Amino acid sequence: DTGVSQNPRHKITKRGQNVTFRCDPISEHNRLYWYRQTLGQGPEFLTYFQNEAQLEKSRLLSDRFSAERPKGSFSTLEIQRTEQGDSAMYLCASSLAGDHEAFFGQGTRLTVV
Amino acid sequence: EDQVTQSPEALRLQEGESSSLNCSYTVSGLRGLFWYRQDPGKGPEFLFTLYSAGEEKEKERLKATLTKKESFLHITAPKPEDSATYLCAVQGASNTGKLIFGQGTTLQVKP
Repeated sequence: DTGVSQNPRHKITKRGQNVTFRCDPISEHNRLYWYRQTLGQGPEFLTYFQNEAQLEKSRLLSDRFSAERPKGSFSTLEIQRTEQGDSAMYLCASSLAGDHEAFFGQGTRLTVV
Repeated sequence: EDQVTQSPEALRLQEGESSSLNCSYTVSGLRGLFWYRQDPGKGPEFLFTLYSAGEEKEKERLKATLTKKESFLHITAPKPEDSATYLCAVQGASNTGKLIFGQGTTLQVKP
């Protein structure tokens, strides 16, 4: 399967702990996106990379959130000092540059207890 | 500010009962309107891209249409396996590829 891969699929953590998620995009895609989705809502944009450069970050992305895409390949999203409000599905998507459709991974479900 | 509103929020159909889902949008410089299907606990699955008013695309029992203010997803003779949440999203003029999503329409098709 050459789709977008996300790990882990599920993560339960205690409030105040740090968590890190990984996304492996479709290999030829140079754009990578992170979205957050809560129950009953559509995905909300968090941040976007073109190759290794992080070109846009949403106001939703507080200082506790950081994302990287070293060498323009896989990406990681880290949340420091997790809060209960961080509980959500974190989705990664990738696409080619230009007006092309984005393909999503299966997401990482985060539960902060 | 770019905005997408989907209606209805939930729709229950009998198998074979055709219907339409609505996606209303306001965006500065539409570069594309996208439809996705999402099953519970999974990521969105790409269905269609529409780029300009008047454009239509079809896939099996689904047909998507686009006007300057809204898009419709028509479902003809649905089957229970069409049950899912259908998400509409727009890409504006910023050329980042960032998508603005609606809240989705959850479709349930009963046999």
